[in-house]
This record gives sequence, C-alpha cells and structure tokens, in this order.
Amino acid sequence: DSGVTQTPKHLITATGQRVTLRCSPRSGDLSVYWYQQSLDQGLQFLIQYYNGEERAKGNILERFSAQQFPDLHSELNLSSLELGDSALYFCASSAGTYREFGETQYFGPGTRLLVL
Amino acid sequence: ILNVEQSPQSLHVQEGDSTNFTCSFPSSNFYALHWYRWETAKSPEALFVMTLNGDEKKKGRISATLNTKEGYSYLYIKGSQPEDSATYLCASSNQAGTALIFGKGTTLSVSS
Repeated sequence: DSGVTQTPKHLITATGQRVTLRCSPRSGDLSVYWYQQSLDQGLQFLIQYYNGEERAKGNILERFSAQQFPDLHSELNLSSLELGDSALYFCASSAGTYREFGETQYFGPGTRLLVL
Repeated sequence: ILNVEQSPQSLHVQEGDSTNFTCSFPSSNFYALHWYRWETAKSPEALFVMTLNGDEKKKGRISATLNTKEGYSYLYIKGSQPEDSATYLCASSNQAGTALIFGKGTTLSVSS
C-alpha cells in the first residue's frame, strides 16, 4: 500500500458527460501528479500541483482541469468526455521538499474510466 | 533519443532463469532515473531511483545500473520467480520534483 488513495476505482459514463476523479496523497506529501494510461501508451503526464499551486502541465487537454485543495487532496475534472478518454488515470504524490535525492513518486491504485 | 524507450516489450522466462531489461533515455538535461514494478490491478511500485553515473542499486534479487553519459539503465533479475511476473517501467526526470517521462514497459512472465 503506497498510502495514496484514489476514488472511484471504476467509472462508466457516456460521451459528453463530466466526471471528477479524486486523489488523496500520502500524509505529508506536498506534490500531486496526474498521469493517464491509455491502451498501447505509456503513462502520460497530465499535470502537477505543489502545495495548492499548479506547477507543471503536460499533455492535458483543455477539456480537463485539476486543482489541489488546502488539505492537499486533488481532483481531476474531465468534461465533454469522448470515447478516446477511456483510460486508467493515476495519481501520484511525492514529498516536494526536494531534499530527497531523485524524489520518489508514490502511485495510487488508479481510476479506470470507461466512456461509452 | 527524445523519449524513454524500453526493450524488450515482453519477455517469457522459466523459473530460475536470470534476465535483464534495457531502458534508454535522453542523456541531456538528465536528473534521475526511476524503475517501477507494476502488477496487474495494482499500483506501480517504486523499485529504485538513481541519479549518478555508475550508480548501482540492489533490492533482493533485483538490481539496476545507470549510465547517464550514454543514456541507458539495465534492470537485472537473478533467479526469476513466478511472483516476479509484472510489467517493469522506467521513467526519467530532468529535475527534482518534476513529472516523470515513462517508457512503455517490459512485461515479464515467469513460468514455474
């Protein structure tokens, strides 16, 4: 158990809908990362938050947005869903102190999204 | 190399065999190389983080080496066991506390 939790575990929805994925980082971790794993693709970085602020953006679509709340949990909002958004969405957290040499990211169990 | 590449894509070995996989990554602006073990229906589990050229890390029967000058890392598994069956991911980062760029993984299957 990495200490990172994600809900829900599975989500089935229809095209055009909007969903929210939730992530709680490990206790004390300040950085949260969102990754997408699509069929035949490696884990793709979407976005990173550090202590409530957006720190880096990757291949995140404009239809997707995220935020990190004062209690450090994060939510990833996916709107106007398309069939191609079906994927496994992972959240990861790291200490964010930058003292740890090569800071490890700890992954949650993922949310599997199926858009029909 | 612009992306992180892993080879082979998949591998099937017999119990007791030793095996190794390769990860190639951009050597410019390199900061750290991460190896993860990912079992089906579970979270990717961190194995090693390496930053220095020539680094070697070991965890039980699994070890890894790093060559930052030529941009590659090897993961070795000695005496493979069925419980080693998983997908092994490598990822690189170009500074501390930033996003990881992942390869597509090597899927290992160990038969008893």
